[in-house]
Amino acid sequence: EAGVTQFPSHSVIEKGQTVTLRCDPISGHDNLYWYRRVMGKEIKFLLHFVKESKQDESGMPNNRFLAERTGGTYSTLKVQPAELEDSGVYFCASSQEAQGRINEQFFGPGTRLTVL
Amino acid sequence: AQKVTQAQTEISVVEKEDVTLDCVYETRDTTYYLFWYKQPPSGELVFLIRRNSFDEQNEISGRYSWNFQKSTSSFNFTITASQVVDSAVYFCALVEDFGNEKLTFGTGTRLTIIP
Repeated sequence: EAGVTQFPSHSVIEKGQTVTLRCDPISGHDNLYWYRRVMGKEIKFLLHFVKESKQDESGMPNNRFLAERTGGTYSTLKVQPAELEDSGVYFCASSQEAQGRINEQFFGPGTRLTVL
Repeated sequence: AQKVTQAQTEISVVEKEDVTLDCVYETRDTTYYLFWYKQPPSGELVFLIRRNSFDEQNEISGRYSWNFQKSTSSFNFTITASQVVDSAVYFCALVEDFGNEKLTFGTGTRLTIIP
């Protein structure tokens, strides 16, 4: 079974440009999460999809970030326009939906974003 | 609000030594889950263990063991007879409640096993 995949693995862009990150969850996983780790700090939650619906987007830093999950399969995270402080590693994770319990989240390898 | 503290930023031990990684958490909920993840040099986060707040039994899996103590709000991780392949960054994390399943992570502990 394929794990969570993310594309690209690295992205280097200039301030003001736009970048789109993609995440393909494990097949059959309804839950999809985005997290971010800014250098030296903890991994922080950005948002959570259940199928195609945004369940929780409380961690999105501002309106320059837009996440979508059309059709409830893969997800994209767009940053427009990118700022220097957006640099970091963006992780995607997925988990199965389960009533009455919290399932473990399976993570992708992350996308390292560098904004110059 | 929930919080996870991993006070040890970096640890180095010689191969075959035992090592314990500390994790202290804060939460106002009575129902919560605790996790440990390993991040090897390849970058992905690898799930190691999940523990719910109602199960305080310690767990052992091969050379890995976990000590959950609600009285001290700690969920420590011990590696016995460490190996070079154990070198990684280890993260402790907390989920507070159903329907709000975001992980709250600690800052991680970088473990280096010296051959």
